[in-house]
Amino acid sequence: EIVLTQSPGTLSLSPGERATLSCRASQIVAGNFLAWYQQKPGQAPRLLIYDTSTRATGIPDRFRGSGSGTDFTLTISRLEPEDFAVFYCQHYGSSPQAFGGGTKVEIK
Amino acid sequence: QLQLQESGPGLVKPSETLSLTCAVSGGSIGSSYSYWGWIRQSPGKGLEWIGNIYYSGTTYYHPSLKTRVTISVDTSKNQFSLKLSSVTAADSAVYYCTNTRGVVYFFDYWGQGTLVTVSS
Repeated sequence: EIVLTQSPGTLSLSPGERATLSCRASQIVAGNFLAWYQQKPGQAPRLLIYDTSTRATGIPDRFRGSGSGTDFTLTISRLEPEDFAVFYCQHYGSSPQAFGGGTKVEIK
Repeated sequence: QLQLQESGPGLVKPSETLSLTCAVSGGSIGSSYSYWGWIRQSPGKGLEWIGNIYYSGTTYYHPSLKTRVTISVDTSKNQFSLKLSSVTAADSAVYYCTNTRGVVYFFDYWGQGTLVTVSS
């Protein structure tokens, strides 16, 4: 089973700043099948990015996914107030699919 | 727009069976390339995929849970269900029902989630 490790655990930034979130896999993710989700308190996760770099419907272009193999990154170019949340990566290149432990992006 | 809504008891006793149902609206559970499933989230284990079912009834379960999990589909009611047997406190979590386009895939539709606590 592939284990995903996200870092940092918490990122304290101000609106307008750039956020860089990391997701590292214990094995190569087949097909670079990796997704990113955003979760706000009391809500279900929302799909942001799939296939490493494809934005889901309605996701603004300040969210960018990149990476390959075992190292993947979610970049938020300029944080908007509504972006502060917890972000999770998920691989789906093999079974069982799994999620990372999350990175919390909080207002500094 | 596809919508999913979980329902079921919020409190289950240890060793008993957790049972949840997910009602599907805005789409047919018999749609091709639609897999219906469950994910849970707890402070201790984070987000954990439980399993998926295709409308035909073919199921796919997480290896760590497969001896205790049953997912079934009721096409006449446009809903699907989760049963998890022999529960312990470690099964306490928010349970989400989901829709996805493959056995192993990303999840683009989620229910709002329902909290299940295992306690006597």
